[in-house]
This record gives sequence, C-alpha cells and structure tokens, in this order.
Amino acid sequence: AQTVTQSQPEMSVQEAETVTLSCTYDTSESNYYLFWYKQPPSRQMILVIRQEAYKQQNATENRFSVNFQKAAKSFSLKISDSQLGDTAMYFCAFMSRETSGSRLTFGEGTQLTVNP
Amino acid sequence: EAQVTQNPRYLITVTGKKLTVTCSQNMNHEYMSWYRQDPGLGLRQIYYSMNVEVTDKGDVPEGYKVSRKEKRNFPLILESPSPNQTSLYFCASSYTINQPQHFGDGTRLSIL
Repeated sequence: AQTVTQSQPEMSVQEAETVTLSCTYDTSESNYYLFWYKQPPSRQMILVIRQEAYKQQNATENRFSVNFQKAAKSFSLKISDSQLGDTAMYFCAFMSRETSGSRLTFGEGTQLTVNP
Repeated sequence: EAQVTQNPRYLITVTGKKLTVTCSQNMNHEYMSWYRQDPGLGLRQIYYSMNVEVTDKGDVPEGYKVSRKEKRNFPLILESPSPNQTSLYFCASSYTINQPQHFGDGTRLSIL
C-alpha cells in the first residue's frame, strides 16, 4: 500500500516571498501520478498541479512548481511570490496508474498562512 | 457549468438515524468516489464506482453504503450513523479512472 507523508503541519510566509512545502511518499510502483491540492477556508478541493512519474521534467503552473525526485520519492511544492489568497491547507496526493480504483492517497496536509 | 454537487452542505443528526448524502455530477464522468476528511489524517477513500452498477470498497468502508443506479448520481448512505462518522465528506468524479478528480464542496456531518 502507498503512503504519503507531509512532515510540516503548519508553515507561514510573508507576502511576495517564496515557500516550499515538503511531501514524501512510499510505493513499489513505477507508474503513477502525484498531485498537490489546495483547500482554502471555503473547504473546496482545488487541484494545483499534477506530475506524471514517467516525466522527468518538473511540472509548473504559473507561480506553482514542483521538485520531483523519483528516486528519493520526494515531491515538494514551491510557491513563488506568495499571495494572501494562497493561505490554505495543502494536500499532497498519490494515484497509481497500475492498479484499479483510482484511489487518491492523501498526506496529512500542511496549513500555509501568508502574512501581509 | 461543470460541477459536482453535494447535498446537504451541513447536517447535525443523532446516532442511529439513517441519512443519505447525495452527489451528482453533470460532466458525464464514469468514475465517482467518496472520501472523508479528518484532522491529521488527510482524506481517505470510502467507496468508489467505475460505472453504473459497479462499486467497490475504498480504505474505510465500514458503516457506509453506496449505490450507482445512474451515471450522474452516487449517493452515500449511513444506515445507522455513529459519532465516529462525524467528519467532512467529499464526493469526487473523473471522466475515467486515473484522471484528475473534480471535487464537490463537501458535506459537514455531525453525529451526536
């Protein structure tokens, strides 16, 4: 079974600065997806970024980018030029492409606060 | 507008009183799933469905039932709710398995 670990329960950053959220995972599979989801106080689950394991290039979406280290099973999220609207709970998630069920396995979450 | 709609958004009820949380999607998605979110545990999958009349257990299915009689609807049924089912529940859907999932806005259940 896969596990996802986010070792930082809470983080804070000043507006306009850069912050990196950590995520590690454990799997014996080689073909999978990794995701970062954002959950603002409205509690919606919003997909921030997706990485396919077979792609060596790190995914980027505007101010959001990842550092995907497959051998180390590490998948960190970097937020550049942080904005007040980035304040949210962030979840790292794993999805196998090799097994059925399309189960997303989530980490415990990191609460990010952006301070003015 | 493409969306996943859950109802109710909030519910407070008592132990043993059967309840149903509805989930409907308008994107013609084949795959639907239910998760529960608890502090410090992230989200955990309860049940999923890969198509009409095809459902299977996720990681935490005990105390829950689901049905998939129509492609767009995937209700979550708590036949005899207990306080340990107090949680935030999310329905999600995707076009097929292994595609990014669209989430509903969540249902906050409190079982007294």
